[in-house]
Amino acid sequence: KQEVTQIPAALSVPEGENLVLNCSFTDSAIYNLQWFRQDPGKGLTSLLLIQSSQREQTSGRLNASLDKSSGRSTLYIAASQPGDSATYLCAVIKAAGNKLTFGGGTRVLVKP
Amino acid sequence: GAGVSQSPRYKVAKRGQDVALRCDPISGHVSLFWYQQALGQGPEFLTYFQNEAQLDKSGLPSDRFFAERPEGSVSTLKIQRTQQEDSAVYLCASSLGGRQWEQYFGPGTRLTVT
Repeated sequence: KQEVTQIPAALSVPEGENLVLNCSFTDSAIYNLQWFRQDPGKGLTSLLLIQSSQREQTSGRLNASLDKSSGRSTLYIAASQPGDSATYLCAVIKAAGNKLTFGGGTRVLVKP
Repeated sequence: GAGVSQSPRYKVAKRGQDVALRCDPISGHVSLFWYQQALGQGPEFLTYFQNEAQLDKSGLPSDRFFAERPEGSVSTLKIQRTQQEDSAVYLCASSLGGRQWEQYFGPGTRLTVT
């Protein structure tokens, strides 16, 4: 059974610092990995999607890497802003059309 | 265009009551998923539909949980005889299907059982 773990569970940084969020998964036979953002009381917003054949994806200040063989992904957020405060979730999918298996999330607070 | 919508957004039920949660997927999306998110945790899979067929219900925690999608569009998640441990946010997601597998999430329904 696939298990996804996110460390740390919570993170507090001053504005301007870079954020590093970690995600690990036990079964390396994944189809894709996805990072989501969740604001309080809201649904999930997709940030980055990495296909299993890719090593990384970038969007603006966000960069996500994937090392499938070691079962790890890292989300980097450069020059953090208070608006980046949210919970970040990673999820893996075993095959197209399958369910997502989520980690427990990392709750991020960026202090002005 | 319109995204995934869910109703009600908030539901308070007394223990033992039945509840019904509705999900309106993006028009034309073949696949529909339900997830349960307990406070402070990541979402967990409940069930999956492809059109009107329920292909996977392995995540439903008990036989008190029932989901349907009779016409392959709107879906309803029903919880009978609610218990306190059912308190959670219930998220619905839809995807186009086939190789277009990316799931789009609704805002969720927060269920509180008192």
